[in-house]
Amino acid sequence: AQSVAQPEDQVNVAEGNPLTVKCTYSVSGNPYLFWYVQYPNRGLQFLLKYITGDNLVKGSYGFEAEFNKSQTSFHLKKPSALVSDSALYFCAVRDLRNDMRFGAGTRLTVKP
Amino acid sequence: DVKVTQSSRYLVKRTGEKVFLECVQDMDHENMFWYRQDPGLGLRLIYFSYDVKMKEKGDIPEGYSVSREKKERFSLILESASTNQTSMYLCASNSIGDSYEQYFGPGTRLTVT
Repeated sequence: AQSVAQPEDQVNVAEGNPLTVKCTYSVSGNPYLFWYVQYPNRGLQFLLKYITGDNLVKGSYGFEAEFNKSQTSFHLKKPSALVSDSALYFCAVRDLRNDMRFGAGTRLTVKP
Repeated sequence: DVKVTQSSRYLVKRTGEKVFLECVQDMDHENMFWYRQDPGLGLRLIYFSYDVKMKEKGDIPEGYSVSREKKERFSLILESASTNQTSMYLCASNSIGDSYEQYFGPGTRLTVT
């Protein structure tokens, strides 16, 4: 089965600094990869996806992600973090039955 | 915009009760999903449905059942609620095609006492 791993439970950054939230994947075939964000007491919101094409994918709220096939990674990035970016972030991969496999989540805290 | 709604944001039930969680989407999506979310475990798939009256088991179907009588509505049923089913339940939908991303409802936080 397809799977993703998020190696960090928690990431802390200062406002204005660049942020990275890490994700690695394990798939058979071509990966369909996604990032979602969850604010407190809310459902998940779609940020961006990689299906094919450019390795650098741009998404909502200034986020981008870099697909790296050799390192089997799909890290989420933002050049300048905002306090309002503090949330729970999930990496996900489309599974073979068109369902989705999610990582355990990374809690991002941006401090003023 | 796609809208996925869930019948309750917060629910408190007693052990042994039968519990119904309802999900409705308004974008004519073929696929609908039920997940539970627990800290440190991410989202785990309970059941999904790719058509009316069709269902597929996910990773953790034990203790749950589902119903999809209409395309827009997907219900999760806890036949006899237990305390270990206390969790956040998230419904999602998507369409067959080249987009694949799922659209989520706001979630139902269920507490079983």
